[in-house]
Amino acid sequence: KQEVTQIPAALSVPEGENLVLNCSFTDSAIYNLQWFRQDPGKGLTSLLLIQSSQREQTSGRLNASLDKSSGRSTLYIAASQPGDSATYLCAVSQGAQKLVFGQGTRLTINP
Amino acid sequence: DAGVIQSPRHEVTEMGQEVTLRCKPISGHNSLFWYRQTMMRGLELLIYFNNNVPIDDSGMPEDRFSAKMPNASFSTLKIQPSEPRDSAVYFCASSQTGTFYEQYFGPGTRLTVT
Repeated sequence: KQEVTQIPAALSVPEGENLVLNCSFTDSAIYNLQWFRQDPGKGLTSLLLIQSSQREQTSGRLNASLDKSSGRSTLYIAASQPGDSATYLCAVSQGAQKLVFGQGTRLTINP
Repeated sequence: DAGVIQSPRHEVTEMGQEVTLRCKPISGHNSLFWYRQTMMRGLELLIYFNNNVPIDDSGMPEDRFSAKMPNASFSTLKIQPSEPRDSAVYFCASSQTGTFYEQYFGPGTRLTVT
């Protein structure tokens, strides 16, 4: 059974710092990996999707990497801003459609 | 595009009552997913449909839960009878074949069963 773990559970950093969020999964037979952002009381916003054949994806200040063989992904946020404060969720797809989620990392950026 | 639409946004009901949650996927998307989010268990897939057909309902917790998708633009998740442990946020998501199955989520329905 696929298990997804995100470390740390919570992270607090000063504004302007670069930071890395980690995600690990137990079964490397994935179709893709998605990073989501969730604001309090809101739904999930898709940030980046990495196909299993890709190594990384970039969008603005965000860069996500994927090492399928080791079962790891990282989300790098450059020059963090208070507006980046949210919970970040990692999810891997099994059989193309089924997403298995980690518990998330709650990120706080302090002005 | 309006995104995935869910209603109601909040629902408070008493134990034993029937609850119906509604979802309208993004136009043109052919897959629809129902998830449940709790503090203890995180986000869990309950059921998903492809071209209006249920494909995998292994995440549905018990027979009190049922889901339907009568057409490409509407789905319901019904709980009958509801119990306090069903209190959670229920999300609907949709995706389109050929877009690497990227899923787009609705705002969720916060259900409280007293």
